Amino acid sequence: ETGVTQSPTHLIKTRGQQVTLRCSSQSGHNTVSWYQQALGQGPQFIFQYYREEENGRGNFPPRFSGLQFPNYSSELNVNALELDDSALYLCASSSPGGTEAFFGQGTRLTVV
Amino acid sequence: AQSVTQLGSHVSVSEGALVLLRCNYSSSVPPYLFWYVQYPNQGLQLLLKYTSAATLVKGINGFEAEFKKSETSFHLTKPSAHMSDAAEYFCAVSNAGGTSYGKLTFGQGTILTVHP
Repeated sequence: ETGVTQSPTHLIKTRGQQVTLRCSSQSGHNTVSWYQQALGQGPQFIFQYYREEENGRGNFPPRFSGLQFPNYSSELNVNALELDDSALYLCASSSPGGTEAFFGQGTRLTVV
Repeated sequence: AQSVTQLGSHVSVSEGALVLLRCNYSSSVPPYLFWYVQYPNQGLQLLLKYTSAATLVKGINGFEAEFKKSETSFHLTKPSAHMSDAAEYFCAVSNAGGTSYGKLTFGQGTILTVHP
């Protein structure tokens, strides 16, 4: 059974650009949640996808958007990047009836 | 709305000493509570969870935590620290049921340093 995998592990973007981050959920998990962890902070909930639909959103602007595919993998898209978007982006998957979220290793995004 | 407060952004202990990391929560509904550990440049690993069963929860690597509703606390302890316990620890809260376990509210984290 493979765990949650995220790609890429690191990337550098320029302010104003757009970025797409990818997450493969753990086998059997149909729910994916995305978090932003700024340096020295705890993770903050961005949004969750359940069965390909957005299922809850945190306090993030609309330029943060996502998708979930039929195989339950997910993408996080960020438009019009700002310097403050520099952070570790974490993906977590969970299963129906489960009681915990399993996290990937994260994608470190640096906006310059 | 839910919130988590971790008291002490940095905790330093000697190897073999007691580890105590403090977490207080606020929740309008019965909470589910979690402790995660994060090693540098890595994701989060679940240490233990409280999901309304026993109030004293045992986790991996010798850690345990006790849910105290009257004190709205969920402090993490380990009787004897090991050098490998040095990491950042996060307390988190969620609602119960369904997809709620993926919607976590985290504290700011506590960095644990273990001295030889």
